[in-house]
Amino acid sequence: AQSVSQHNHHVILSEAASLELGCNYSYGGTVNLFWYVQYPGQHLQLLLKYFSGDPLVKGIKGFEAEFIKSKFSFNLRKPSVQWSDTAEYFCAVNGDDKIIFGKGTRLHILP
Amino acid sequence: GAVVSQHPSWVICKSGTSVKIECRSLDFQATTMFWYRQFPKQSLMLMATSNEGSKATYEQGVEKDKFLINHASLTLSTLTVTSAHPEDSSFYICSARPMVNYEQYFGPGTRLTVT
Repeated sequence: AQSVSQHNHHVILSEAASLELGCNYSYGGTVNLFWYVQYPGQHLQLLLKYFSGDPLVKGIKGFEAEFIKSKFSFNLRKPSVQWSDTAEYFCAVNGDDKIIFGKGTRLHILP
Repeated sequence: GAVVSQHPSWVICKSGTSVKIECRSLDFQATTMFWYRQFPKQSLMLMATSNEGSKATYEQGVEKDKFLINHASLTLSTLTVTSAHPEDSSFYICSARPMVNYEQYFGPGTRLTVT
């Protein structure tokens, strides 16, 4: 069975700080990996995804993630966060033909 | 493209009644749809996977007789919460997967409150 773990439950940063949110997955086969964002009061939006090819994936709003197969990781990064990045971030994996979500990381950006 | 809608967006019902939530793929055909629930400030938990024309596959711990799922067409799946109780109050989110790839597109969710 597949599983996803996100290390940081709650992260607080100041504007312009760099961001890295950890995500590790467990699955024995080929996986597709995703990061979703949920802004307060809104529904899920896809930030980026990895299916195959270049392990460094660029998404919307300046986010990127790197798939490191040897570490079973897919960490999310942004070089300079903005107040508007305040949201909940979910890492997700699709291995068994269904998407399973991590517990989420609540990101709070201080203006 | 790839828009998924849910109806209603929110619903309040009395304990003991049943409520139906619809999930539609508006501009594509979805052989598979998924139902998740999200408790406040928590992650999405997969409840079940439904394939068009066949029975849904429920995740461990999800009562199939309580959460009835029907996927009658390639653009519509319904979730019926039967004999609802206050602990069923939650945010229910569906997603749909097109026939041609493995992406899932998520609906906006339905907030259910059982009084």
